Amino acid sequence: DGGITQSPKYLFRKEGQNVTLSCEQNLNHDAMYWYRQDPGQGLRLIYYSQIVNDFQKGDIAEGYSVSREKKESFPLTVTSAQKNPTAFYLCASSPSGDRRIQPQHFGDGTRLSIL
Amino acid sequence: SQQGEEDPQALSIQEGENATMNCSYKTSINNLQWYRQNSGRGLVHLILIRSNEREKHSGRLRVTLDTSKKSSSLLITASRAADTASYFCATGPLADSNYQLIWGAGTKLIIKP
Repeated sequence: DGGITQSPKYLFRKEGQNVTLSCEQNLNHDAMYWYRQDPGQGLRLIYYSQIVNDFQKGDIAEGYSVSREKKESFPLTVTSAQKNPTAFYLCASSPSGDRRIQPQHFGDGTRLSIL
Repeated sequence: SQQGEEDPQALSIQEGENATMNCSYKTSINNLQWYRQNSGRGLVHLILIRSNEREKHSGRLRVTLDTSKKSSSLLITASRAADTASYFCATGPLADSNYQLIWGAGTKLIIKP
């Protein structure tokens, strides 16, 4: 069964610590995305990648970093520079072609909290 | 930047009733998509309607789009307890460059048994 796997489901970060959220997909999709979701708000785009070894900043990239070394994987690092990291993080992917009309497929998210 | 705004923010109805939620947006779009999110889970794509379409159906779902009013509605007929979730609209831009979906804040739907 194809899908997107995010791990871990819950993550706790100490002050000054960087943490990395994993996102793996076996849908053979070219594009991948990272979103942040805060209570009562819509999704905000952190980073997206259209192809391997290429990625672009979204609306709220400050304090985050990503890599795209393999088509299947798009890990997100929440750095110590992100002062308010507590949120629900969602990874998504979509097929190639006109990205405006491709539905996005989501993982089940990682909930990050501050210790 | 947030473009879509869902209305109402929350909706509670009896099982079997119809549920209607609305989405308004500000700029011209290529398409509008609706997604469902169960509590603590990822989003699931429900339906996409293009800017040159006025209505689309999928099972118990009916979506309308009025580009003159920059609004869309999602109707769920004969609601079931399993429809309890948050529903989000997302708009796809006209221009293909620097593409990204713009998301609304969602409508929380509760179906009472």
